[in-house]
Amino acid sequence: SAVISQKPSRDICQRGTSLTIQCQVDSQVTMMFWYRQQPGQSLTLIATANQGSEATYESGFVIDKFPISRPNLTFSTLTVSNMSPEDSSIYLCSASTEINSPLHFGNGTRLTVT
Amino acid sequence: QKEVEQDPGPLSVPEGAIVSLNCTYSNSAFQYFMWYRQYSRKGPELLMYTYSSGNKEDGRFTAQVDKSSKYISLFIRDSQPSDSATYLCAVASGNTPLVFGKGTRLSVIA
Repeated sequence: SAVISQKPSRDICQRGTSLTIQCQVDSQVTMMFWYRQQPGQSLTLIATANQGSEATYESGFVIDKFPISRPNLTFSTLTVSNMSPEDSSIYLCSASTEINSPLHFGNGTRLTVT
Repeated sequence: QKEVEQDPGPLSVPEGAIVSLNCTYSNSAFQYFMWYRQYSRKGPELLMYTYSSGNKEDGRFTAQVDKSSKYISLFIRDSQPSDSATYLCAVASGNTPLVFGKGTRLSVIA
């Protein structure tokens, strides 16, 4: 199974700033996704990171707030822009070899916005 | 009605007990079923994956799917303190992304 490395593992940021989270997979994967996990809540899909093209965002998430890059088959970044305390959450990168196949996850980035 | 319903617990059991974790789903089109385990401050880890009704066993873990009732279960036999974690069910269909339950927090007491 793919090993996913995510950094930073945690950060405390000030309101109005931006943070870029990096995700590196140890093998080429077809699908990469970004999730958000808030305390007591299920994982919520933010977007599918598409290699070489714009990400596909889920309802409630927009590119201006969460720009995503995926320059190749093993790397992706998620930026949380103009942060507010409501953005405090765990952000998880995941990957799979094909749609509907099991996802593998990184350990997440624990973000606190003050 | 949410797509996947999962009792968040917490669930506390003594060591050695049989644990039953359950999810219900609303869309009969779901045909892929997974269980993930998530330890504190870690990402979810895949435990079981199945795409048919019936049982699938892996060591102390058994996943059960009943498509007619839209009900999935995970059984843990001889539970250990190391099984203490949050367990998330996930379902998928066709080309739609995985849909996760909220997770059940399990504590196994030595």
